[in-house]
Amino acid sequence: AQSVTQLGSHVSVSEGALVLLRCNYSSSVPPYLFWYVQYPNQGLQLLLKYTTGATLVKGINGFEAEFKKSETSFHLTKPSAHMSDAAEYFCAVTLATGGFKTIFGAGTRLFVKA
Amino acid sequence: DAGVIQSPRHEVTEMGQEVTLRCKPISGHNSLFWYRQTMMRGLELLIYFNNNVPIDDSGMPEDRFSAKMPNASFSTLKIQPSEPRDSAVYFCASSQQQGYEQYFGPGTRLTVT
Repeated sequence: AQSVTQLGSHVSVSEGALVLLRCNYSSSVPPYLFWYVQYPNQGLQLLLKYTTGATLVKGINGFEAEFKKSETSFHLTKPSAHMSDAAEYFCAVTLATGGFKTIFGAGTRLFVKA
Repeated sequence: DAGVIQSPRHEVTEMGQEVTLRCKPISGHNSLFWYRQTMMRGLELLIYFNNNVPIDDSGMPEDRFSAKMPNASFSTLKIQPSEPRDSAVYFCASSQQQGYEQYFGPGTRLTVT
């Protein structure tokens, strides 16, 4: 069965530090992969996505993620955290076969300290 | 584009009352999703439609919940009768095709007292 695991429900970094949010999935078929961000009292919005092609994808607000098939991972990174990055981040996976159902991870709340 | 539109943005009702949440997807999108988000359970997919047809309603909690999509530009999620445990933020999302990125509405915050 398809599943998505986000390691760490809460991550805290200092402003200017590296942001690393982890996402692993279980699938034998290369999936579509997404990261979404949710700011307080708002809906989720797409940060970046991987479907095919280059495995390093860049998104909005300086975020990027790398698809590593051998590790079944799609970790999200940003070189330097900004206070405005404080939000909840969701990894999501869609299998490109059998119904195209999208599974969301449980989310990771990012705190940024001044 | 106006994005996904949800109404109402806030709803407060008493236990036992019927609640109807509404959603207008982005024009041209053919998949529509209803989610529920709570602190305890996180983000849960309730049901999704493709070309106005319900594809997977396995996330609908019980028979008190029903969803319809009478046409490509409108969907409703109804709870009858409502209970305090239904209090949550309900999101509608749409995507151009199944499996593609989803665009979320601002959500409806439901409080059942």
